[in-house]
Amino acid sequence: DAGVIQSPRHEVTEMGQEVTLRCKPISGHDYLFWYRQTMMRGLELLIYFNNNVPIDDSGMPEDRFSAKMPNASFSTLKIQPSEPRDSAVYFCASSRRAYEQYFGPGTRLTVT
Amino acid sequence: AQRVTQPEKLLSVFKGAPVELKCNYSYSGSPELFWYVQYSRQRLQLLLRHISRESIKGFTADLNKGETSFHLKKPFAQEEDSAMYYCALTRGSTLGRLYFGRGTQLTVWP
Repeated sequence: DAGVIQSPRHEVTEMGQEVTLRCKPISGHDYLFWYRQTMMRGLELLIYFNNNVPIDDSGMPEDRFSAKMPNASFSTLKIQPSEPRDSAVYFCASSRRAYEQYFGPGTRLTVT
Repeated sequence: AQRVTQPEKLLSVFKGAPVELKCNYSYSGSPELFWYVQYSRQRLQLLLRHISRESIKGFTADLNKGETSFHLKKPFAQEEDSAMYYCALTRGSTLGRLYFGRGTQLTVWP
């Protein structure tokens, strides 16, 4: 099992561009989480899904951020337009039970 | 509201010394507490959970409800323990959501 898969692993983009991050959870897991990690703020939960339905998106910083989970094996996090302050490592995690979360390797986003 | 506090952003010890990473929480109900670890260039992964009462890689953590703490301890630190450690809490009513502390970067010097 490859675990949680995220793509791309690194993304460098210019301010104003659209960025799409992708996640494939572990098969059979019914929870999916998107986190952002920065030096200043640590690990922040952005949004999470249960059975493909968004449960809590209160951590999404603003309307420029959106997330979808069209099916049990795929989710996207989109930033449009991107800004330099969005530079961070974005993690996707999945779990079958409420709390045993398995994390992906992360996407390091740099917005110039 | 629930909150997880890790008062130390950075912690350094020498190899062989005891280490304690502090974690305090605020929650009026019965939480479940966890420690996650992120080694350099590796994924964040579960280290241990309080309900298991287990020792992983020599680390233990005891839930102290009176002091609302869940400190992570190891009697003899090793260089390979250097990593970022996150304390996390879940409560039954939030159906899967983990509340993380801000993390403690542990460095073990040779």
